[in-house]
Amino acid sequence: DTAVSQTPKYLVTQMGNDKSIKCEQNLGHDTMYWYKQDSKKFLKIMFSYNNKELIINETVPNRFSPKSPDKAHLNLHINSLELGDSAVYFCASSPSMRSPPDTQYFGPGTRLTVL
Amino acid sequence: SQELEQSPQSLIVQEGKNLTINCTSSKTLYGLYWYKQKYGEGLIFLMMLQKGGEEKSHEKITAKLDEKKQQSSLHITASQPSHAGIYLCGADIRGAQKLVFGQGTRLTINP
Repeated sequence: DTAVSQTPKYLVTQMGNDKSIKCEQNLGHDTMYWYKQDSKKFLKIMFSYNNKELIINETVPNRFSPKSPDKAHLNLHINSLELGDSAVYFCASSPSMRSPPDTQYFGPGTRLTVL
Repeated sequence: SQELEQSPQSLIVQEGKNLTINCTSSKTLYGLYWYKQKYGEGLIFLMMLQKGGEEKSHEKITAKLDEKKQQSSLHITASQPSHAGIYLCGADIRGAQKLVFGQGTRLTINP
């Protein structure tokens, strides 16, 4: 029944490692997003994909590489993890990409801790 | 400075009291969204406002968007422990088809 799901929920890893976070939505939406929420609770968009095509890339380091194998999935791969990457990462989806934006539905988040 | 400013940043109220959270921008908002985040969980959509002067209510929560579409308020009537959490406003500020979020308001309800 979960609309937007993410795995894993928690991720603890060493600096320099490579890790991936997976996201799936069963809402039939065309658009998916990745957000980063830092320790001060600031929520900022990182990427958006529409029909598997990258639309928004908010000057995120090249170490972050999103991949959308199909409209229902948007995964986030992070290379060479740094301490500053520690945050909660949220996946979201919306029916389409327009202005004003459609309502976005968020996953439960993945708490990444880099040691 | 943040494009969307929320106030207050934290709020502690007695159960049963009313409260208001504000979200302000110096620019016109193309759609204003209110979300609630429970501690350690994802964001739950509450309401979306688009037109100047628009007001929406759901149960004991009312959200308004001012006529100039630069400020929104979220009002909770007769607060309950279930209202506790972090409230986030998000908006499309430049018609860029993406949301910018405020820094959040942490609401605590004391019994």
